[in-house]
Amino acid sequence: DVKVTQSSRYLVKRTGEKVFLECVQDMDHENMFWYRQDPGLGLRLIYFSYDVKMKEKGDIPEGYSVSREKKERFSLILESASTNQTSMYLCASKPGQAVPIGEQPQHFGDGTRLSIL
Amino acid sequence: AQTVTQSQPEMSVQEAETVTLSCTYDTSESNYYLFWYKQPPSRQMILVIRQEAYKQQNATENRFSVNFQKAAKSFSLKISDSQLGDTAMYFCAFRDQGAQKLVFGQGTRLTINP
Repeated sequence: DVKVTQSSRYLVKRTGEKVFLECVQDMDHENMFWYRQDPGLGLRLIYFSYDVKMKEKGDIPEGYSVSREKKERFSLILESASTNQTSMYLCASKPGQAVPIGEQPQHFGDGTRLSIL
Repeated sequence: AQTVTQSQPEMSVQEAETVTLSCTYDTSESNYYLFWYKQPPSRQMILVIRQEAYKQQNATENRFSVNFQKAAKSFSLKISDSQLGDTAMYFCAFRDQGAQKLVFGQGTRLTINP
């Protein structure tokens, strides 16, 4: 089974801090994703990466950056945390398009509930 | 841009009943994929069922089935013989064939009562 591990289940930080959320997957997937989940809004894509050192903006990238130095690890960075970034953050991974066995779903981590005070 | 709409924020049924969750989407593409994901209170999101748009036959996974109406852009999830363990948030999601990212609906909170 695919395992996607997020480093923290709960995190409390202060406004203005630089915050790192880490995600590691163990299935050699090319694609990795960061979402934030808010009530009534579902999941919204922040950034995704389709290869090492490659990244693309999602729908709500403002205030965030990402890093993918190794294939298995995808980090989300809040450069200067603000209270409106209090949310649940979900990481996911997925094989690349070359996998010949049909459509593959995204596999999710347990999520990090981040509170910015 | 593609959008996904789940019009039922919350639903509640008795155990063993059948329940249907609604999902509509908007796209100009002809080839795409649709998914239902489940997020139990423990929070890990797991795939329930998926449908390829080019397949006319509705997908089925045990007690879970979909009603895929391509012309109407509708993708509802039916849960038969509902169980307490089905209590969760359910998200409908769309992926364009040429893209990697998923577009999610707002979610439906389903509660199965004993």
